[in-house]
Amino acid sequence: GAVVSQHPSWVICKSGTSVKIECRSLDFQATTMFWYRQFPKQSLMLMATSNEGSKATYEQGVEKDKFLINHASLTLSTLTVTSAHPEDSSFYICSAAGFHYGYTFGSGTRLTVV
Amino acid sequence: SQELEQSPQSLIVQEGKNLTINCTSSKTLYGLYWYKQKYGEGLIFLMMLQKGGEEKSHEKITAKLDEKKQQSSLHITASQPSHAGIYLCGADTESGTYKYIFGTGTRLKVLA
Repeated sequence: GAVVSQHPSWVICKSGTSVKIECRSLDFQATTMFWYRQFPKQSLMLMATSNEGSKATYEQGVEKDKFLINHASLTLSTLTVTSAHPEDSSFYICSAAGFHYGYTFGSGTRLTVV
Repeated sequence: SQELEQSPQSLIVQEGKNLTINCTSSKTLYGLYWYKQKYGEGLIFLMMLQKGGEEKSHEKITAKLDEKKQQSSLHITASQPSHAGIYLCGADTESGTYKYIFGTGTRLKVLA
């Protein structure tokens, strides 16, 4: 079955630094990848959708310069939280979809900014 | 804007009781997925429904999609503490695209 690997699973960083989260489809080509964010006691909120080789489409209210998304290949998408601040602390999860494969989710990354 | 509404938002039941969680959309759903999650952890896929009127069961969990494909229910029979967690519905809302959204979530607690 389709597997999506997300790393790191948790990260603690200092305020002002940048953090990169990777999402890899291990056994299929992901034409589209999605990034979600979740706050405690809330549902997953779509941040952006990225198609391989093109710029990501961000949802309303999501800062493009804060959350940089790169989908350089059919198996890898990265989310970089730039100049992270405590309010960026959250749970981030990616999802990948490709031909003949529906949505497969990564295991998520818990980011804590101190 | 949120297009999938779940109800109730939270639920506390006594072990052994049955319960139902609903997921409602204002648009036709082209694929409806149910997940279980604990905050800060990944999603556990439960079931996927695609056809109007479809019903699937796994162990003590049954999910249905109505004929209009705008509402789904998740029913747990004889709940156990292991059923506790956050239940999320997710759906394709546009045919032929990967526009995928999640419901508002239902937090379930089962008292032993």
